[in-house]
Amino acid sequence: DAGVTQSPTHLIKTRGQQVTLRCSPKSGHDTVSWYQQALGQGPQFIFQYYEEEERQRGNFPDRFSGHQFPNYSSELNVNALLLGDSALYLCASTGAGALGNTIYFGEGSWLTVV
Amino acid sequence: AQKVTQAQTEISVVEKEDVTLDCVYETRDTTYYLFWYKQPPSGELVFLIRRNSFDEQNEISGRYSWNFQKSTSSFNFTITASQVVDSAVYFCALSEINTGANSKLTFGKGITLSVRP
Repeated sequence: DAGVTQSPTHLIKTRGQQVTLRCSPKSGHDTVSWYQQALGQGPQFIFQYYEEEERQRGNFPDRFSGHQFPNYSSELNVNALLLGDSALYLCASTGAGALGNTIYFGEGSWLTVV
Repeated sequence: AQKVTQAQTEISVVEKEDVTLDCVYETRDTTYYLFWYKQPPSGELVFLIRRNSFDEQNEISGRYSWNFQKSTSSFNFTITASQVVDSAVYFCALSEINTGANSKLTFGKGITLSVRP
């Protein structure tokens, strides 16, 4: 049973560029959330997708956008990259039902903005 | 607003010592979930436990145990007879309880645990 998978694992971008990160949820899960984790900090919630719609959003600017596909996979897009966007981006998935509130995380995508 | 405080930032112990990681939370919700996650250097957050707010029983899983005290808003995690493989960053987190799919997690800043041989 594959867990949450993310790609790419590492990438380097230049300030002002755009980046797309991808996530496939754990089998049977239909809800995907994205988190940003700066060095030495706890993860911060960006947004959550369910039924291909953004359901909740954290305190992040509109430069951060996302999408969920019919197969429940998801993308995180960040436009006009800033140096401060350098972080580990974590994808988490969960499903509805009795175990719906246990959240599983992928290994993350390490983004460096130079 | 929800808040999780992990006052300890770094802990270093010698193998086989017991160690307790503290977590204090704030929420206006009457029902909520509490979590502990382990983050090794690879970056993945490994789920350790989920506890709902109306279940204050302590839990033990092998060398791990958790002490939930609603009266003091604390959810502490103890590792008994620590091992080098326990070295990692440990996060405490809090979420609302929603119907259907899960709500967002609010994390503490994490505690770096180093277990020396």
